[in-house]
Amino acid sequence: QTVVTQEPSFSVSPGGTVTLTCGLSSGSVSTSYYPSWYQQTPGQAPRTLIYNTNTRSSGVPDRFSGTILGNKAALTITGAQADDECDYYCVLYMGSGTWVFGGGTKVTVL
Amino acid sequence: EVQLVESGGGLVQPGGSLRLSCTASGFTFSSHWMHWVRQAPGKGLVWVSRVNGDGSDTTYADSVKGRFTISRDNAKNTLYLQMNSLRAEDTAVYYCARAVYDKGVHVVDYWGQGTLVTVSS
Repeated sequence: QTVVTQEPSFSVSPGGTVTLTCGLSSGSVSTSYYPSWYQQTPGQAPRTLIYNTNTRSSGVPDRFSGTILGNKAALTITGAQADDECDYYCVLYMGSGTWVFGGGTKVTVL
Repeated sequence: EVQLVESGGGLVQPGGSLRLSCTASGFTFSSHWMHWVRQAPGKGLVWVSRVNGDGSDTTYADSVKGRFTISRDNAKNTLYLQMNSLRAEDTAVYYCARAVYDKGVHVVDYWGQGTLVTVSS
């Protein structure tokens, strides 16, 4: 079974830039996997940041951006702020109407 | 304003059944595919199931296939998840989520606040 991989954790300085990635245990991620990214603060519902690789969801600031970097999908946060400190999840479309989430990345801003 | 409100969660014994509901407002419900996603305590998000706009096409994660059934009542703007043969590992917060059609796929854009299902004796 294919596993969607994410870094377990990442640290970024306030005002800095961080790039999170979303890969596959076997194979490369392309736009055909329609990668999406979600942000979740503990105890809260997820919030959609990016879908279809690089489309920003309504109300999401442009310091969040998505792309394909090499063989992975990537989410870049520029000008990190204190309230960016939370969990980030990617999801990939596996075909036949099914989706698989990555394990999530905990981002710390310090 | 898009709103999704889940209900129906609670404590159920292993082997039991539960039906979750998700009431939608603020958009044309029948025009959007819908998903269920769950999150066990302290764990990550897991995709569970999705249904198309008229309810005629459904898909499931392998972990719930044959036990869970997704459905919708467009007249009532409500999405359902019938959960049978529940196991301890089904314990999670269950989120309903709206999908938007973009470049050939229906992707999640809005989420409900979730409802907690606890499977325990």
